[in-house]
Amino acid sequence: GAVVSQHPSRVICKSGTSVKIECRSLDFQATTMFWYRQFPKKSLMLMATSNEGSKATYEQGVEKDKFLINHASLTLSTLTVTSAHPEDSSFYICSATGGDYRGPGYTFGSGTRLTVV
Amino acid sequence: DQQVKQNSPSLSVQEGRISILNCDYTNSMFDYFLWYKKYPAEGPTFLISISSIKDKNEDGRFTVFLNKSAKHLSLHIVPSQPGDSAVYFCAAHTGTASKLTFGTGTRLQVTL
Repeated sequence: GAVVSQHPSRVICKSGTSVKIECRSLDFQATTMFWYRQFPKKSLMLMATSNEGSKATYEQGVEKDKFLINHASLTLSTLTVTSAHPEDSSFYICSATGGDYRGPGYTFGSGTRLTVV
Repeated sequence: DQQVKQNSPSLSVQEGRISILNCDYTNSMFDYFLWYKKYPAEGPTFLISISSIKDKNEDGRFTVFLNKSAKHLSLHIVPSQPGDSAVYFCAAHTGTASKLTFGTGTRLQVTL
């Protein structure tokens, strides 16, 4: 089945630094990738949608200059949290689809726990 | 504006019995509904989905029912097993925007 690899699984960084999270589709071409954020005991909140080769579409309230998304190839998308602050600490999850949205078509990565100190 | 809601934050069921997880939505434009299982510090794992034109879909121990007039869907797990203990999210797909909107999740605990 489709596999999405997300790296790193956890990262601790200092305030003011930037952190990059990678999301790779291992055995399929991901035409669209999604980035979510999950707060403790809360739902997954969609941050942005990215299509290969074009600019990401950000959800309302998400700062595009803070959360930089690059989807340079059909198998790789990156999320860079710039000038991180403690309030950016969260669980970030990527998802990829090759176009079939009926269920298995949306494959999720294992998530990245970001802690900003 | 929470378009997908799971009003029960937690549910405890005895092993072997039926688990029923509920989900309500407000947007009639959703064209597909999906259920995901999630463990802490992991990404969601797909369980089962249903098209908005269907009212039931079954896959092994998992059955999803959709009541469009009530904008309500439910996931039935029978028989429940201890390994089913996790957080379950329902999600709704918007065809035009091609994205998923998640509910708030229900933590299922299956006891021995």
